[in-house]
Amino acid sequence: EAEVAQSPRYKITEKSQAVAFWCDPISGHATLYWYRQILGQGPELLVQFQDESVVDDSQLPKDRFSAERLKGVDSTLKIQPAELGDSAMYLCASSLGSYYNEQFFGPGTRLTVL
Amino acid sequence: ELKVEQNPLFLSMQEGKNYTIYCNYSTTSDRLYWYRQDPGKSLESLFVLLSNGAVKQEGRLMASLDTKARLSTLHITAAVHDLSATYFCAVDMGNSNSGYALNFGKGTSLLVTP
Repeated sequence: EAEVAQSPRYKITEKSQAVAFWCDPISGHATLYWYRQILGQGPELLVQFQDESVVDDSQLPKDRFSAERLKGVDSTLKIQPAELGDSAMYLCASSLGSYYNEQFFGPGTRLTVL
Repeated sequence: ELKVEQNPLFLSMQEGKNYTIYCNYSTTSDRLYWYRQDPGKSLESLFVLLSNGAVKQEGRLMASLDTKARLSTLHITAAVHDLSATYFCAVDMGNSNSGYALNFGKGTSLLVTP
């Protein structure tokens, strides 16, 4: 069964360091999303891609976060420099981008900033 | 701004009992999603509700959507321990064939006890 892949699964870093997360969506899914989930809350959108283009990055803290999906397939989310408040689960999801819009989530990357 | 509110946020129920989780949202939308999340895990898609009056059932869970009231319910029948998890509802504002990011509620943490 096709799944969204993410790596690493866990990342511990010190504040001011750079971190990067990788996501490989389900094959054929044109739309890719990065969400951040703080413990005890629902996920919140950081950035949405349609193929290689950014559709919505209004909630992405652009002074420290960047995201790319160069070939319209896999994607990388980077944080530089990391801050204590960035500790969270980072979830990648993908969908066909059709009206049905069912989004499938990857296992997530648990980031801890010390 | 689209707001999604779930209640209750915490629910402890005995095995064999029935209960309903409610999801209210603040703006017009005809697409609503229910997800399940186990502790430390990612989100699993349960139901996609696409129109007013939509009802879907899977095992002991049944979800419905009333777009006029901006309300969805997740009904649990004869609860069993395996249903213990956090349940999220999510809404998007999409009205075309493109993908839209989901706005999640805070989640309902369900514990089923013997």
